[in-house]
Amino acid sequence: DTAVSQTPKYLVTQMGNDKSIKCEQNLGHDTMYWYKQDSKKFLKIMFSYNNKELIINETVPNRFSPKSPDKAHLNLHINSLELGDSAVYFCASSLDVSSYNEQFFGPGTRLTVL
Amino acid sequence: AQTVTQSQPEMSVQEAETVTLSCTYDTSENNYYLFWYKQPPSRQMILVIRQEAYKQQNATENRFSVNFQKAAKSFSLKISDSQLGDTAMYFCAFMKRGGATNKLIFGTGTLLAVQP
Repeated sequence: DTAVSQTPKYLVTQMGNDKSIKCEQNLGHDTMYWYKQDSKKFLKIMFSYNNKELIINETVPNRFSPKSPDKAHLNLHINSLELGDSAVYFCASSLDVSSYNEQFFGPGTRLTVL
Repeated sequence: AQTVTQSQPEMSVQEAETVTLSCTYDTSENNYYLFWYKQPPSRQMILVIRQEAYKQQNATENRFSVNFQKAAKSFSLKISDSQLGDTAMYFCAFMKRGGATNKLIFGTGTLLAVQP
């Protein structure tokens, strides 16, 4: 059983399109995260939700909108895709934020914008 | 703001030998955690080792150990008896302790190649 899963694993789309990436965790965790890894492999946090509430919202264009329908899911919707959005997007989850808890990462979604 | 610096973009080591990856960080916090993550070609992010800043003893996990120098803000990873499966991108990361978000701040990574 995959602990943190993402769909799709690969996504190729045209500039200007709107797309979503889904993330699900079956660990019973309260906290979920989205990270972006750019073409130089640099990883940066984008968003985090704890118990369906947004707790981290880094400087990300408002074309990116996370949605957490329940604690087990955190989806990432991207409007009006641009070439610079091409990257690998990782979802992660941790037990909660009350103290240190290991973050478990999904396999990543490689987004290519043409 | 915290920053994490990895000054070695790429490194190479022969199988069975020892290699050390460097990491320095900048923070005004006193309580924090430091991590090394491994990202093999499969792309999966794997936690290798964790160090709590308030602990003086260096963390060890099998062939992986760290040299944590709090005053120098240095956190290097030593891999002993390198194996082909250690070939991966290695990321150093920082997390403030007691924050409300458990936000991880990553360095730029070091690509390690283990040669047969």
